[in-house]
Amino acid sequence: EVQLVESGGGLVKPGDSLRLSCEVSGFTFTNAWMSWVRQAPGKGLEWVARLKSKKDGATKDYAAPVKGRFTISRDDSNNFLFLQMNSLKTDDTAVYYCTTDRPAYKSTSYKVSDYWGQGTRVTVSS
Amino acid sequence: SYVLTQPPSVSVGPGKTATITCGGTNIGQKSVHWYQQKPGQAPMLVIGYDSERPSGIPERYSGSNSGDTATLTISRVEAADEADYYCRVWDFYSDHAVFGGGTRLTV
Repeated sequence: EVQLVESGGGLVKPGDSLRLSCEVSGFTFTNAWMSWVRQAPGKGLEWVARLKSKKDGATKDYAAPVKGRFTISRDDSNNFLFLQMNSLKTDDTAVYYCTTDRPAYKSTSYKVSDYWGQGTRVTVSS
Repeated sequence: SYVLTQPPSVSVGPGKTATITCGGTNIGQKSVHWYQQKPGQAPMLVIGYDSERPSGIPERYSGSNSGDTATLTISRVEAADEADYYCRVWDFYSDHAVFGGGTRLTV
């Protein structure tokens, strides 16, 4: 059974830091491109960051609102994805989802399916 | 940055066909993914790479993409299809993934 379980969310003040974790099981994590996607209360989905697999270069990409403040990383030995969030702002308040990602164009060599965690809530408020 | 435009809402009767559009400049040259999100749940991929249905998604779901518009079509709509639907592409210019604003489908 595939599971993506996020943790680390909570209530913090503006300027604080938080580290989100996503524990993955049920598929070959080392082959997966992974992303964090967030959803502010009552709003739509917003992509946050992506990390390719090591064999595909482990490239990291970030959305403009978080670049320089957030860092995505992975621990392939223990099947974890992380999001280190620094200098948090009230606009970062959202449910954060861990999800598998995929190449922009279909690749016969990439065989990881689409999976999502249930999300972890981050609230930034003074 | 690249912008995807979706209608905020679409309403359709049971058994009819729902069409949800996703507009973007030359979106036909990009691969579009469609996600379904029901209240209180995580999103779920219903169409990948313009027209591919993941395992477990009913054949009633189909997708197309050409020119400046990608389209998600749901045939023989059921009450269980009521959800928010989002399109997504990768923008190579900014190296960002971009989501559309979402469309609420009401059955």
